[in-house]
Amino acid sequence: GAVVSQHPSRVICKSGTSVKIECRSLDFQATTMFWYRQFPKQSLMLMATSNEGSKATYEQGVEKDKFLINHASLTLSTLTVTSAHPEDSSFYICSARGRGYSNQPQHFGDGTRLSIL
Amino acid sequence: GQSLEQPSEVTAVEGAIVQINCTYQTSGFYGLSWYQQHDGGAPTFLSYNALDGLEETGRFSSFLSRSDSYGYLLLQELQMKDSASYFCAVSGLYNFNKFYFGSGTKLNVKP
Repeated sequence: GAVVSQHPSRVICKSGTSVKIECRSLDFQATTMFWYRQFPKQSLMLMATSNEGSKATYEQGVEKDKFLINHASLTLSTLTVTSAHPEDSSFYICSARGRGYSNQPQHFGDGTRLSIL
Repeated sequence: GQSLEQPSEVTAVEGAIVQINCTYQTSGFYGLSWYQQHDGGAPTFLSYNALDGLEETGRFSSFLSRSDSYGYLLLQELQMKDSASYFCAVSGLYNFNKFYFGSGTKLNVKP
């Protein structure tokens, strides 16, 4: 089945650091990927839609200059949390959907747990 | 916009049947999905409904009523490993790729 790989799985870094998270679709091409964040015991909040070859589409309230998204190829999207601060600490998850019928599920990466000290 | 409501927590015993409800409001509905998430893990796909009725996949079934903006996930023959959070998610008519998740239901399965 379709697999999405996310790296790194965990990051601990100092405040002010920029952190890059990679999301790869391993056995299918994904023209669209999605980035979510999840706080403990809360739901997944859609942050942005990553579009191959074009700008990402951000959800309301998400700072595009804070969360930079690049979708350089059909199998790779990156999320960079710029100048991260403790309030950016969260679980970040990407997902991708294979091409085909609309009933294709979204496949999620294993997530990245980001802790900003 | 979108809003989804699920119960926050459900407790059941091993071997039992449990139903997790989801009501939604969305501007343009395409389909309802269900995902399972264990603590610290990523969501995994369980089921999807775009049409009214029941979809069965092994021990899990999902139901949708578009006219009532309502769906449920039915888990049968509960096992301890089913203890997890369950999320319903809607995808919209104008972008069926985009999913919005409910707040999740924590299922506790007891021996």
